[in-house]
Order: sequence, then structure tokens, then C-alpha cells
Amino acid sequence: EAQVTQNPRYLITVTGKKLTVTCSQNMNHEYMSWYRQDPGLGLRQIYYSMNVEVTDKGDVPEGYKVSRKEKRNFPLILESPSPNQTSLYFCASSLSASWGGRGPDTQYFGPGTRLTVL
Amino acid sequence: TQLLEQSPQFLSIQEGENLTVYCNSSSVFSSLQWYRQEPGEGPVLLVTVVTGGEVKKLKRLTFQFGDARKDSSLHITAAQPGDTGLYLCAGDRNRDDKIIFGKGTRLHILP
Repeated sequence: EAQVTQNPRYLITVTGKKLTVTCSQNMNHEYMSWYRQDPGLGLRQIYYSMNVEVTDKGDVPEGYKVSRKEKRNFPLILESPSPNQTSLYFCASSLSASWGGRGPDTQYFGPGTRLTVL
Repeated sequence: TQLLEQSPQFLSIQEGENLTVYCNSSSVFSSLQWYRQEPGEGPVLLVTVVTGGEVKKLKRLTFQFGDARKDSSLHITAAQPGDTGLYLCAGDRNRDDKIIFGKGTRLHILP
């Protein structure tokens, strides 16, 4: 089954304790992205990756790191989490990074990771 | 600054009624997408519109992209409880590879 998986689905942690949220897709997609979703603020893009070893900042990258060493995996790293990073996080992937004039390829979203930083 | 403004934020109507939700911007977008998100799940793409003035239909849902490619609307005919969810619009400006989301319209259809 084609899917985007995220782990963990739920996480409660404390300020300053490094954590990694994993994201994996089995569709051989080039484009992968991380979003956070907060009440009243909607979905905001944190980082995205056009392909292996190519990553770029989205609109809210501060406090986050990512890596793309393999095509299927795109982990999100919080080196020193703070309470303002409490949020619902989504990973997404799409087939191509070259959209041209036809618009973005369909983004497939993972089920989300609800993170609470105390 | 919110580049994509969605309205209304919340809408609660009776089953069988028609409704329209809007996605507006002062910026031009190369394309706009509409997603629906249900509680506990990630957004699911409904449609992508890429041409100014384009109209796409998906069963009881009609999507329109404004002529100037700055706005879009989603019209639902004869709403059903299964239409309940958060409707998000998203756009790309073709300047970079970022996708920008609106804050969403939370729709509740009462049986």
C-alpha cells in the first residue's frame, strides 16, 4: 500500500531533550516536506526537500533540522525542543519536484505526529 | 501576513443546503489546490486548478480559479454530513518550491 508513515504518532517530552520524528514514503517520491499545524495558524511549511541531499527552508524553519540521505526517508530533528514547538506535525511527499505550469503534484500526507513539549 | 485568506472560518449548515467557501489573495498563484482534512488525519487533495477561470467539478463539489489567479472558490451542492471537515486551500507562486496554505474553513453539516 502506497503511504507516508510517521513515528511516533504521539510524543510528550521536556524542554531541551533532543528528539527525532521519522518520516518514510514507499512511493519513490522526489519531493518531501514537513509542516506544522497550529490552531488559528493553519499549516505552515518547516522544511522541504527536492531530492536526496537537497533540502531548503520553508516558512518556519527555526529550531528544526532535517536530512535527506535516502530518497524514502526525511526525518525532522528538534535539537533542543521548546514549548512553542508543541504542535501537530505532518510529513508529506509528492512524485516530482518539477512542477512547471501544471501545478504541484499531489502531496500525500502522513497521519501526523502530535508533539507536546513541557 | 497571511497570503491566502479563507472565509468563512467556520460554517455550520443543514444537510441539503448549498454553500460556498472562498480562498483569496492579493498575490498571483501559478496554481491553487483544495484539500479536505478530517480529525486525526492528514489533509487529502481534492483538486488542483492551474488556469485562470478554470472550473472543475468533483461530484457535488465545484471548484473555480479566478481569472486573475488570485482567488478560488469551492461550492458544495446539497451538502451531506460526510462533507464535514476542514477545507484547506494551498497555492504555489512559481517563484520557489514552497507551498502556502490558508488557515482553512471548518465545515459542519448537520443531519
